[in-house]
Amino acid sequence: SQQGEEDPQALSIQEGENATMNCSYKTSINNLQWYRQNSGRGLVHLILIRSNEREKHSGRLRVTLDTSKKSSSLLITASRAADTASYFCAPINTGGFKTIFGAGTRLFVKA
Amino acid sequence: DVKVTQSSRYLVKRTGEKVFLECVQDMDHENMFWYRQDPGLGLRLIYFSYDVKMKEKGDIPEGYSVSREKKERFSLILESASTNQTSMYLCASSGMVGVRTNEKLFFGSGTQLSVL
Repeated sequence: SQQGEEDPQALSIQEGENATMNCSYKTSINNLQWYRQNSGRGLVHLILIRSNEREKHSGRLRVTLDTSKKSSSLLITASRAADTASYFCAPINTGGFKTIFGAGTRLFVKA
Repeated sequence: DVKVTQSSRYLVKRTGEKVFLECVQDMDHENMFWYRQDPGLGLRLIYFSYDVKMKEKGDIPEGYSVSREKKERFSLILESASTNQTSMYLCASSGMVGVRTNEKLFFGSGTQLSVL
């Protein structure tokens, strides 16, 4: 199992703007997952992208995966104040039984 | 809706007490996990279980033990609580696809434990 590293650590934008968060990892993966955590609550799964996929969409979320660079990005379009949260990536190895999280990106969307 | 339920949202205990944190999932998931989350440190894995009565240590198992007597329930035990175990504790469960490869995790709402 491995830990992803999210970048930036914190991001502050205006409502309506797009937010981009990045994730880097070290070894080959089976899939990579993104989660959101609102303050003081549990994490909520947002999207899973498999190693043979390059891009995936879910509503206002767009995730890309570049396995050659061992990186992924999460784009939130037309951000809302309700998107204010911490965002975590989790790269999962084949046979990767443990899911390990990094410190996350804290997103603040100003109304 | 699928659900992972943690027994307490807030808990206050005294140093030296034995503390039980309970987690129940209703999705018939094989895997269950306990994490703790501290400011600036992200989530750290304490223990996980991939089957009834099976458990494996995570990254920070010291001072903790776990019990999984039934598939739906995974308990975290602090044998003798200490102030450095004050933290947010998060339980999660997941199914499995392929050869022990995790699919998405479902989390409980968390238990904020304060040890005084």
